Amino acid sequence: AQKITQTQPGMFVQEKEAVTLDCTYDTSDPSYGLFWYKQPSSGEMIFLIYQGSYDQQNATEGRYSLNFQKARKSANLVISASQLGDSAMYFCAMRGVNTNAGKSTFGDGTTLTVKP
Amino acid sequence: EAQVTQNPRYLITVTGKKLTVTCSQNMNHEYMSWYRQDPGLGLRQIYYSMNVEVTDKGDVPEGYKVSRKEKRNFPLILESPSPNQTSLYFCASSFGSAKFLSSYTFGSGTRLTVV
Repeated sequence: AQKITQTQPGMFVQEKEAVTLDCTYDTSDPSYGLFWYKQPSSGEMIFLIYQGSYDQQNATEGRYSLNFQKARKSANLVISASQLGDSAMYFCAMRGVNTNAGKSTFGDGTTLTVKP
Repeated sequence: EAQVTQNPRYLITVTGKKLTVTCSQNMNHEYMSWYRQDPGLGLRQIYYSMNVEVTDKGDVPEGYKVSRKEKRNFPLILESPSPNQTSLYFCASSFGSAKFLSSYTFGSGTRLTVV
C-alpha cells in the first residue's frame, strides 16, 4: 500500500523568502515516482516537479526544488523567492510501478499563503 | 493544444438520477484515472485505466462505474447518485509505460452536487 503524509495544513511565508513544504511517504514498491502539484483557488491542478526513486540528484524546476531523502522517506518541496502567485494548495503525490502500477496516492495538501 | 476535457464543469442533480461525466484527452495517453476531492482531503482515486478495455478500482470505487472503449475517452458513470457523492471530480491522463513515470495532465474538474 502507498501512503503520503503532509503534516502542515497551512503555511505562511513572506514574499521573496524561501519555504519548505513537508512530505513523507511509505510504499512497498522498490521503484516509484514522487510528484508535487499546485492547486490555485481557481481549482485546476498544475504539475510542478517530479523525483524518481532511483534518481541520484534532487530534482529542480526553476524556483522549485525537491529535497529527496530516500532513507527518511521524505520528499519536501522547496520554493525559493516566494511570489504572491505562489499562494495555493500544494499536494504531494506518489505513483508506483510493479505491484502498484496504476495506483496513485495524494496527500491531504498544504495551503501556502504568501504575505506581501 | 494538449489537454484533458471534462464535461460538465458544474452539475446539480437529484438522488438516484443516473449521470455520466465525460473525459477526453488528445495526447494519445495510455493511462487515465478519476479522482474525487473533498474539503480538507487530497485527491482520492476512484478508478483508473492502464489502456483500452483495461480498468481497475482505486481507493474509493463504490457507487461508480467506468469504461474505456476508446483510448481517448474515459467516462465516469454514477448509476444512482447519492448526496455523499457530492464532490469535485478530476480526470487525469498520462503516458502509461512502466519504463518511466510521467506526471498527470488534469482536466479542469467537475463540481457535482447531489440533492
